[in-house]
Amino acid sequence: NAGVTQTPKFQVLKTGQSMTLQCAQDMNHNSMYWYRQDPGMGLRLIYYSASEGTTDKGEVPNGYNVSRLNKREFSLRLESAAPSQTSVYFCASTPRGHGERPMSTDTQYFGPGTRLTVL
Amino acid sequence: DQQVKQNSPSLSVQEGRISILNCDYTNSMFDYFLWYKKYPAEGPTFLISISSIKDKNEDGRFTVFLNKSAKHLSLHIVPSQPGDSAVYFCAASADNYGQNFVFGPGTRLSVLP
Repeated sequence: NAGVTQTPKFQVLKTGQSMTLQCAQDMNHNSMYWYRQDPGMGLRLIYYSASEGTTDKGEVPNGYNVSRLNKREFSLRLESAAPSQTSVYFCASTPRGHGERPMSTDTQYFGPGTRLTVL
Repeated sequence: DQQVKQNSPSLSVQEGRISILNCDYTNSMFDYFLWYKKYPAEGPTFLISISSIKDKNEDGRFTVFLNKSAKHLSLHIVPSQPGDSAVYFCAASADNYGQNFVFGPGTRLSVLP
């Protein structure tokens, strides 16, 4: 199993450009997440998807769109990149389905991250 | 306002000694807590969790303690090893957050040989 994979690993954009960050998991997980990590801020949730075909906003959704293409894939799109979106982006997945609370053995599995710089 | 706080940005410990990482939270509805470990250029990996019905959970060298009345949890690593040098994130979840976790800002642990 590859777990959670993300592409690309690095990206440099100019202000106003658009791009899509790709994420895929091969663990048959129901829920998928996009986070951004900024210095001193921990991980902040951008969007999540509790099941195929559903998406919901997290803490910092502005400037982003997402697509849950199928159970495996969850993409994050920046339509018009801004310097404030310079960050490291992590995708994660968890077995839990919609409406299910964490169990004692539950956790999120993270991808390796995409380092995005917007000039 | 951060609901999950890790007030020590960094911590240095000698190899073989105990590392204690602290986490405080403000939302009394949080009832499930996790610790993640993150190495540079990698995604976070799960370390240990605790439910609010417990006050302690142990896994090998790692023990998490939960003090609900103080809204405080701590991660103890005994003995500390150089490979434990990483950033440690505390995360919490509650019913009114559905399936989501709120993360603290992290503490960078350095274990010195």
